[in-house]
Amino acid sequence: DADVTQTPRNRITKTGKRIMLECSQTKGHDRMYWYRQDPGLGLRLIYYSFDVKDINKGEISDGYSVSRQAQAKFSLSLESAIPNQTALYFCATSGAGTGANVLTFGAGSRLTVL
Amino acid sequence: KQEVTQIPAALSVPEGENLVLNCSFTDSAIYNLQWFRQDPGKGLTSLLLIQSSQREQTSGRLNASLDKSSGRSTLYIAASQPGDSATYLCAVEYGNKLVFGAGTILRVKS
Repeated sequence: DADVTQTPRNRITKTGKRIMLECSQTKGHDRMYWYRQDPGLGLRLIYYSFDVKDINKGEISDGYSVSRQAQAKFSLSLESAIPNQTALYFCATSGAGTGANVLTFGAGSRLTVL
Repeated sequence: KQEVTQIPAALSVPEGENLVLNCSFTDSAIYNLQWFRQDPGKGLTSLLLIQSSQREQTSGRLNASLDKSSGRSTLYIAASQPGDSATYLCAVEYGNKLVFGAGTILRVKS
C-alpha cells in the first residue's frame, strides 16, 4: 500500500458543486500539506497542518478549506467549485523540523470543473 | 517575493548523453533545496536533498550542486537512459514553506 493515499484519483464535476478530496498517510508524520499543480506554474501550497489542531493557509487558500480529522487524515474541500480550480492536486507529508524535510507525495487527484 | 525558476522548460536528448538541469532562486536565505522527479499519473519522488550548508549531493548517476551566493542549483544526470524521462522539479525550503519551480520536462530518446 502507498504511504500517502489520495481519493479520488480523478473527478469531473460541475461549477457550483461541493467537492472533497481526501488524503490518508501511514508514515506517522505530523505534517501534512495540500498543493495544486497547474501547467507551467509548478506546485503551489494551498493549506498545511503541523498537527491535528493546527491549520495554516498557504499562498492560494481562497476558495478552499481543509479539515485535519486525525494525524493520518487531511481533507481538502471546495465548497463551490469553479472552472479555474481545474488542476492536479497533491497531498504530501513530512516529519517535524525544518532543514531536513523530505516530502512524501500522494499520486495526485486530477479535478476537472466544467 | 521568493521565486524559483527552472531552465530549460523542456529538454530532449539522445540516450547516453550527460545533461544538466538548472534551478535558480531569488532569496538565498534557504534551509535546503530538493530535486524531485514526477512521472505521469504518479506523485513526486524526492531524488536529492541538499542542506544549506552543503555544496553537493550524489546518488548514483545523479549529482546536485548548490551555490547559495549565486542562487543556483544544478542537477547533473550522467549517461542518460530512456527511463530517466520525466519531469524534474526543484524546490527550495524557506522556514516552513517549500517553493517549487515549474519543472523541466526531460525526454531521453533511445
